[in-house]
Amino acid sequence: QQQVRQSPQSLTVWEGGTTVLTCSYEDSTFNYFPWYQQFPGEGPALLISILSVSDKKEDGRFTTFFNKREKKLSLHIIDSQPGDSATYFCAAESSNTNKVVFGTGTRLQVLP
Amino acid sequence: NAGVIQTPRHKVTGKGQEATLWCEPISGHSAVFWYRQTIVQGLEFLTYFRNQAPIDDSGMPKERFSAQMPNQSHSTLKIQSTQPQDSAVYLCASSLPWGSSYEQYFGPGTRLTVL
Repeated sequence: QQQVRQSPQSLTVWEGGTTVLTCSYEDSTFNYFPWYQQFPGEGPALLISILSVSDKKEDGRFTTFFNKREKKLSLHIIDSQPGDSATYFCAAESSNTNKVVFGTGTRLQVLP
Repeated sequence: NAGVIQTPRHKVTGKGQEATLWCEPISGHSAVFWYRQTIVQGLEFLTYFRNQAPIDDSGMPKERFSAQMPNQSHSTLKIQSTQPQDSAVYLCASSLPWGSSYEQYFGPGTRLTVL
């Protein structure tokens, strides 16, 4: 059972454009939502995270939005750069188990 | 801070052989997680330890897979009688809990290839 659904599977944007990735979930015990960035040959690296008590968190060009009622979250990357080309994973952690469930990932390509 | 260290980075085994993967968490981190990553299945949780104690191994295949954390400086994942379907990147992550949530820091992974 896929507990965290992520879309799109892949995405291509032009340099300077805005990238939007989305995820949805069903488990109401999820309360912590990190986004990870992974480059080929490396492990995932924490990019930005948000708690369920917040609806927005911003870090430079990266912003994550959280909608508790709809059980959805999104990652926005403004002024996308070729160096942002990577695979992005949303994830969710349950307050009951402290176990993190990952989405299927979005492969982003930013073209110069 | 060297980050999470995983050794070896690549391992090739023959079918039926044993593979032991090592993870050294970030110093001071109290939780260690193991994941398996494949193209088909994505990132799958295997098991995790907190303060060296096994907390949840619900993702571990019941046969052939085992994990240990004998001390706070390393954890091992052992796969007995490896099969081609075990081929994957095995990732270790460690975390220092804050509040009731964890920020996990991943190692570079060990790519296991079973011939």
